[in-house]
Amino acid sequence: QVQLVQSGAEVKNPGASVTVSCKASGYSFTTYYIQWVRQAPGEGLEWVGIINPRGGAATYAQRLQGRLTLTRDTSTSTVHMELSSLRSEDTAVYYCARVSMEKGAFDMWGQGTRVTVSS
Amino acid sequence: DIVMTQSPDSLAVSLGERATIKCKSSQSVLDGSNNKNYLAWYQQKPGQPPKLLIYWASTRESGVPDRFSGSGSGTDFTLTISSLQPEDVAVYYCQNYYTTPTWTFGQGTKVEVK
Repeated sequence: QVQLVQSGAEVKNPGASVTVSCKASGYSFTTYYIQWVRQAPGEGLEWVGIINPRGGAATYAQRLQGRLTLTRDTSTSTVHMELSSLRSEDTAVYYCARVSMEKGAFDMWGQGTRVTVSS
Repeated sequence: DIVMTQSPDSLAVSLGERATIKCKSSQSVLDGSNNKNYLAWYQQKPGQPPKLLIYWASTRESGVPDRFSGSGSGTDFTLTISSLQPEDVAVYYCQNYYTTPTWTFGQGTKVEVK
């Protein structure tokens, strides 16, 4: 079945980098954009960035420009999200989700990956 | 960026009663070329990722119970749960996808049982 499976929880020190992976299965990987959303503890949803798995072009939320990098590996149908120079305010659950062109919205979500930034 | 504002922030409704959530965008999300409103609604239960309920403002996602409905156009939208069930306790978010590829969410509305 269609699913997105994310990598496990991470604990990082301030200033470090973290990479979260999102592996797609059950559909044609290069047909659907993958976007990332994060949710700080007790807070709402914040859009982080999006990548086109076909060519690899990515767009990032302005507040994360320069620290966020999205890449994809078509051989493993996996998208990677790297966030550098981590700060305490980056502590959140990070979700990947598939963008449906037909619906315009995010119709399939990963289970989420908790990233904790703490010294 | 388009700002999405939901109201109320939380509401408590008796089982079997109607729940109504409003979402207002700071600018229109209606595309005049195709007459589609680029507005979605999601449901999020504790410890789970969001789930798509409604897209194009009023189209119900496959498998979503018909007690959920979306309406509105332009800048003002509504999500209605016609008869609240215990499993509907969740936080609901509206989302603009007019400003592709940057999307914005409302702040969320928490629905509880009175």
